[in-house]
Amino acid sequence: EIVLTQSPGTLSLSPGERATLSCRASQSVSSSYLAWYQQKPGQAPRLLIYGASSRATGTPDRFSGSGSGTDFTLTISRLEPEDFAVYYCQQYGGSPWTFGQGAKVEIK
Amino acid sequence: EVQLVESGGGLVQPGGSLRLSCAASGFTFSSSWMTWVRQAPGKGLEWVANIQQDGSNKYYVDSVKGRFTISRDNAKNSLFLQMNSLRAEDTAVYYCARLYYDWNDVPSFDYWGQGTLVTVSS
Repeated sequence: EIVLTQSPGTLSLSPGERATLSCRASQSVSSSYLAWYQQKPGQAPRLLIYGASSRATGTPDRFSGSGSGTDFTLTISRLEPEDFAVYYCQQYGGSPWTFGQGAKVEIK
Repeated sequence: EVQLVESGGGLVQPGGSLRLSCAASGFTFSSSWMTWVRQAPGKGLEWVANIQQDGSNKYYVDSVKGRFTISRDNAKNSLFLQMNSLRAEDTAVYYCARLYYDWNDVPSFDYWGQGTLVTVSS
């Protein structure tokens, strides 16, 4: 099983600041098979990024994904109030498909 | 507008059974892989099962194999999860989602329902 480890667990930032979230895989994952989701309290997850770097429909361009192999990054260039949430990475490259434990971006 | 609406959750005793449903609309259900993902209270996401468009192929996480069965009715645009021999650790919000493969065969869970809560407790 591919284990995804997200860091930091919590990121405390102010609106307008840049957020950088890391997702490290225990084994190499094809870039095509890495996605990022956003989840707000009481809501379902929402797809942000797929294929490591492709923005899903409706994802603002302040969100960007990068990385390859075992190291992937989600960057939010300038935090908006609605971006404070929990973010999950997910891999589809190995069975079973697994998610990271989540990373919370909170208002400082 | 794409909609996925889950139902069937509730309180069940350990060892009991429950059948979840997911009603889909706004897209061609019969052409879509579908999936179930769960989230234990205060915890992260866990993929549970996938089913191919015609139901011919199904995949499960090891922890539910032999206990859960994913199925679908394309005539009714509906997805199901039959859960038997339920355990306390199955307590979670269960989400159905569409598994979408783009033109380059890159997968993603692009649409999600609002979830239904399953509580396994005596």
